[in-house]
Amino acid sequence: EVQLLESGGGLVQPGGSLRLSCTASGFIFSKYAMSWVRQAPGKGLEWVSAISGSGGSPYHADSVKGRFTISRDNSKNTLYLEMNSLRAEDTAVYYCAKDLDDTSEYLRGDLDYWGQGTLVTVSS
Amino acid sequence: DIVMTQSPDSLAVSLGERATINCKSSQSVLYSSNNKNYLAWYQQKPGQPPKLLIYWASTRQSGVPDRFSGSGSGTDFTLTITNLQAEDVAFYYCQQYYHTPLNFGGGTKVEIK
Repeated sequence: EVQLLESGGGLVQPGGSLRLSCTASGFIFSKYAMSWVRQAPGKGLEWVSAISGSGGSPYHADSVKGRFTISRDNSKNTLYLEMNSLRAEDTAVYYCAKDLDDTSEYLRGDLDYWGQGTLVTVSS
Repeated sequence: DIVMTQSPDSLAVSLGERATINCKSSQSVLYSSNNKNYLAWYQQKPGQPPKLLIYWASTRQSGVPDRFSGSGSGTDFTLTITNLQAEDVAFYYCQQYYHTPLNFGGGTKVEIK
């Protein structure tokens, strides 16, 4: 059974940093691209970042480029999102999600499994 | 960036009736080399993560009831829920994966009339 478990969320002051983790199980982690998607309270879905199965090809939305860094450790079946210079508008539930495509390690972008999410609150 | 626009924002449908949600992309998401539309639909119930319903614009994900169907090509797409059930009350989002950023539509809330 595929499982994705996010952790690392919490309350942080503006300008602060957090590192989110997503621990995966139930599939061959290194075969799949992974994404982070966030949802501000009462709002819709916003794609944040993605990374290829090998970790060699990261992608970031313009809204987080230069502040957030996606990475992965395939030996630990874990996806990360390093978030720096946090702003109030980064407040959201952050989900990690797995690519549906297993024929290539590169990002396709249709996301078939999602974690339950971790809440990040940026406030003074 | 490809902008995804959904309509309506919300709709109320009687049990057993049909719900139709529209999604329009600002540019084509049809990849000519494989003739596939890079368009997905998700369902999100309160307090839950999104669930993939449809990919390639019309391919139903495993385990999704056949009352859910997707159609369209290029820039105009539709998610249809026939024989609406109480458990279908949710938000529905379209998403393009033609290229990054992988933008979502604003969402459509489906309720029971």
